[in-house]
Amino acid sequence: NAGVTQTPKFRILKIGQSMTLQCTQDMNHNYMYWYRQDPGMGLKLIYYSVGAGITDKGEVPNGYNVSRSTTEDFPLRLELAAPSQTSVYFCASSYETGGPEGETQYFGPGTRLLVL
Amino acid sequence: AQKVTQAQTEISVVEKEDVTLDCVYETRDTTYYLFWYKQPPSGELVFLIRRNSFDEQNEISGRYSWNFQKSTSSFNFTITASQVVDSAVYFCALSEGETSGSRLTFGEGTQLTVNP
Repeated sequence: NAGVTQTPKFRILKIGQSMTLQCTQDMNHNYMYWYRQDPGMGLKLIYYSVGAGITDKGEVPNGYNVSRSTTEDFPLRLELAAPSQTSVYFCASSYETGGPEGETQYFGPGTRLLVL
Repeated sequence: AQKVTQAQTEISVVEKEDVTLDCVYETRDTTYYLFWYKQPPSGELVFLIRRNSFDEQNEISGRYSWNFQKSTSSFNFTITASQVVDSAVYFCALSEGETSGSRLTFGEGTQLTVNP
């Protein structure tokens, strides 16, 4: 298993450009997440999905969009890049059964985005 | 709203010293989950431990140990006989509700530097 993979690893965008950050997991996890990590800070949840076709906002969703057409893929879309979106973006996944044990989120290697 | 506080921004120790990383959390839920993740200089996030709110047993894994105290809302992490390879940023995280993976709230992290 490759686990959670993200592409690209690094990208420079100009203000106003758009791009899609790709995330794929091969663990058949039902839940997937996008976080951003600003320098010296913890991670903040952008969006998450509990299954194909279902997405919901996290703590910092403004300026982003997501879709979940398959179990494996959860792309993150930036429509009009702004300098405030300079960050490292992490995708994660987990398999939630709804039981009392709870499950662990496993993270991809991250995408470093610089908006100039 | 849930909150995680890691008051220690940076800690520096000499190899073989013991070190404790503090984590204090706030939540209104009776069911919640606590996590520790390690982020080495390479940037990936490595899962260390998950604990649910009904299990206050302390846990030891090799040189790592965790002390969970609901009375003080703390989930502290101790590294015994620290090594240079332990140098990393360590994040404590909290998830509320019946499923642990729905929304993780991260602390801001503690940068641990272990000097030879």
